[in-house]
Amino acid sequence: NAGVMQNPRHLVRRRGQEARLRCSPMKGHSHVYWYRQLPEEGLKFMVYLQKENIIDESGMPKERFSAEFPKEGPSILRIQQVVRGDSAAYFCASSPRTAGFYEQYFGPGTRLTVT
Amino acid sequence: KQEVTQIPAALSVPEGENLVLNCSFTDSAIYNLQWFRQDPGKGLTSLLLIQSSQREQTSGRLNASLDKSSGRSTLYIAASQPGDSATYLCAVNGGATNKLIFGTGTLLAVQP
Repeated sequence: NAGVMQNPRHLVRRRGQEARLRCSPMKGHSHVYWYRQLPEEGLKFMVYLQKENIIDESGMPKERFSAEFPKEGPSILRIQQVVRGDSAAYFCASSPRTAGFYEQYFGPGTRLTVT
Repeated sequence: KQEVTQIPAALSVPEGENLVLNCSFTDSAIYNLQWFRQDPGKGLTSLLLIQSSQREQTSGRLNASLDKSSGRSTLYIAASQPGDSATYLCAVNGGATNKLIFGTGTLLAVQP
């Protein structure tokens, strides 16, 4: 059973470009979470999605950031018009059901560098 | 607002020592608590998950305890090895929104 997969592992974008980060949850998992780890800071929750639904986006910046988890295919975290402050490691996690009782399994992360 | 703190921020021990990492949280209304390991430049590896109704969990040389009422968890590592060197993170799940609130981490170095 493959783990949570994220791609790309490393992404370099110039200021003003768009970044698209992909996450494929573990097989059988229908809940996806995105977290961000800024340099020298801890991991912070961004958004929680189920298939075709955003459940909690309280950690998402108000502008330029969006996330989706379509019926088919991976979850996508999209950052428009990137700025240097977006440089960070973005981690995706998945769980089989409501995470109140189930572990979240993390992917290897995507390291975004904005030049 | 839930806040999670880990002490110490960094720890260096000689190989073979037993050690304890501490995690405290301000809101005792949690569903579970997870301990993770993160190697430099890598993702997170889940070590132990303790449900709110449990007092402790064990996996190999690792033992994690949970005292919800006092807002504390400890991760005990027995007979430490250089391969245990990593950052250890604890995270609490408040349940209502299913998001994990992470601590600041403890950077562990085990000297051979």
